Amino acid sequence: KAGVTQTPRYLIKTRGQQVTLSCSPISGHRSVSWYQQTPGQGLQFLFEYFSETQRNKGNFPGRFSGRQFSNSRSEMNVSTLELGDSALYLCASSLSAGEYNEQFFGPGTRLTVL
Amino acid sequence: SQELEQSPQSLIVQEGKNLTINCTSSKTLYGLYWYKQKYGEGLIFLMMLQKGGEEKSHEKITAKLDEKKQQSSLHITASQPSHAGIYLCGAVLPYQLIWGAGTKLIIKP
Repeated sequence: KAGVTQTPRYLIKTRGQQVTLSCSPISGHRSVSWYQQTPGQGLQFLFEYFSETQRNKGNFPGRFSGRQFSNSRSEMNVSTLELGDSALYLCASSLSAGEYNEQFFGPGTRLTVL
Repeated sequence: SQELEQSPQSLIVQEGKNLTINCTSSKTLYGLYWYKQKYGEGLIFLMMLQKGGEEKSHEKITAKLDEKKQQSSLHITASQPSHAGIYLCGAVLPYQLIWGAGTKLIIKP
């Protein structure tokens, strides 16, 4: 079974631009979660989607948004990029929603904002 | 997250030696995940503990959950270079998962 894939792997943007990151979960997995990882803040939860609905949301500004498609693939969008948005963005999929389901992580997208 | 403290922040261990990493929660734990991360890559699942006193082992890695202390420990026996990386714990709380800042493990040959 293929693992979680994220595209692109690396991205360089400038302040004010917007960016869209993509995540393809493991086949059969219906839940997708997004995380931001930075050296200073560690792993921070962004949001979780299950069956195309946002199930849970972390404490991030509205510039961060996401969606999930009927095939469980997910995208997250960051508008009006700031320098502080530079981070590794990780996507994780699980069979079902909820905190007790093992999450399988993708390799991440490293975003650099200049 | 300050709600979940990992210690130590980093660790340098001679190959072959044992080591322990701790993860302490300020809130009641309903479950605890341990993951390992190679620098700049995704997280690899190690194990999940759900019941107080539960102990699980995988190869040379053993983790235990102490519900009363709201703490979990991860112990590596006879460390090898392949154990190097960042170890993260994730705590299951009501309707959320929170993560520790990670422990960076370096194995000296």
